[in-house]
Amino acid sequence: QSALTQPPSASESPGQSVTISCTGTSSDVGGRDSVSWFQQHPGKAPKLIIFDVTKRPSGVPDRFSGSKSGNTASLTVSGLQADDEADYYCVSSAGSFYVFGTGTKVTVL
Amino acid sequence: QVQLHESGPGLVNPSGTLSLTCTVSGVSISSYWWSWVRQPPGRGLEWIAEIYHAGNTGYKPSLKSRVTISMDRSKGQFFLRLNSVTAADTAMYYCSTSSFAYWGQGTLVTVSS
Repeated sequence: QSALTQPPSASESPGQSVTISCTGTSSDVGGRDSVSWFQQHPGKAPKLIIFDVTKRPSGVPDRFSGSKSGNTASLTVSGLQADDEADYYCVSSAGSFYVFGTGTKVTVL
Repeated sequence: QVQLHESGPGLVNPSGTLSLTCTVSGVSISSYWWSWVRQPPGRGLEWIAEIYHAGNTGYKPSLKSRVTISMDRSKGQFFLRLNSVTAADTAMYYCSTSSFAYWGQGTLVTVSS
């Protein structure tokens, strides 16, 4: 039940792309197609931006995309905008419980 | 539209019991699995437990001995009880659907004497 591993920070200029990794094990990320991603601005509740590895909820722009390879899931934010500056978290089912990632702070330079 | 609202004491004594209520509106509580998630100040998210209306529950293994999740379908509410709390349990506590599509605004619980 260790937390999924994410890089602590990532940064890129407006208009560019940033990719965040989320590394787990075959018991969670690698063994299930139930990885979700969240965006969290300071003082706010998390907002779901990707579910089931690649799917976007209604209203989430297609600048946000998800993928998975082996035990690592990834979130790519394309065409970075100032409002994309936030903390990003992944979560995966691990069978009878869920495991969150350690979180990544994205800075738009 | 699904709405969730957390309520409960904002201050709990060390070694005491943390008790929170999540009130669901806009949808039948029988429609989804429901979760509790917490976030210590300045730190990351931690899943705690989930419940389904049929009585099915799931717990984070490392917290299972101290946590109870329950539900009152007639009131559209589900609950969290966390026993033997310490300062490490100080956090913003959120309720959400287990799909994590819908979240409450969170309630801050501080463990201190």
